[in-house]
Amino acid sequence: EVQLVESGGGLVQPGGSLRLSCAASGFTFSDHYMDWVRQAPGKGLEWVGRTRNRAAGYSTEYAASVKGRFSISRDDSKNSLYLQMSSLKTEDTAVYYCCVKIGLTNDYWGQGTLVTVSS
Amino acid sequence: DIQMTQSPPSLSASVGDRVTITCRASQGIRNDLGWYQQKPGKAPKRLIYAASSLQSGVPSRFSGSGSGTEFALTISSLQPEDFATYYCLQHNSYPYTFGQGTKLETK
Repeated sequence: EVQLVESGGGLVQPGGSLRLSCAASGFTFSDHYMDWVRQAPGKGLEWVGRTRNRAAGYSTEYAASVKGRFSISRDDSKNSLYLQMSSLKTEDTAVYYCCVKIGLTNDYWGQGTLVTVSS
Repeated sequence: DIQMTQSPPSLSASVGDRVTITCRASQGIRNDLGWYQQKPGKAPKRLIYAASSLQSGVPSRFSGSGSGTEFALTISSLQPEDFATYYCLQHNSYPYTFGQGTKLETK
């Protein structure tokens, strides 16, 4: 069974930093691209970014709203995905989900972790 | 960036109704589109992939159509468990973008 479990959320001050983690199991993590998606309270979904697999050089893509401030990385030996967030703004307050697509037909999301940016 | 314009933002309907939600892409995205359902406090669940393919385990009352710039999600006969918020997502080019969402409410 595929499982994605996010952790690391919490309260952080504007301008601060935070690292989210996503622990993956039930599939060959190292083979797959991984995404982060977020949802501000009461708002819609926003794609944050992606890390590709080793075969694709672990290259990354980001939404314009986070580019230069957020960094996505992974540790295939630990089946873990990370989102390093810095220079946080109040508008980064959201539930952050990690996601994976396995083949064309399967799409999995974690339960999300809440990040609150507030003084 | 590709903009996804989803409509309507909200929709009131009754059990048994047929409803359609649309998404328009600001440029052609072939069929690189998925539809998601989200219930309060839960992660989104994909219903449709590749614009018109039904995700395994999703009831057949859900269907998707379209290609290029115009897409639709249709629920043929609403059931009580279908009242939720729906989103389209284009994955044709980066950055991926979601529609603004459609909240389906009971009339």
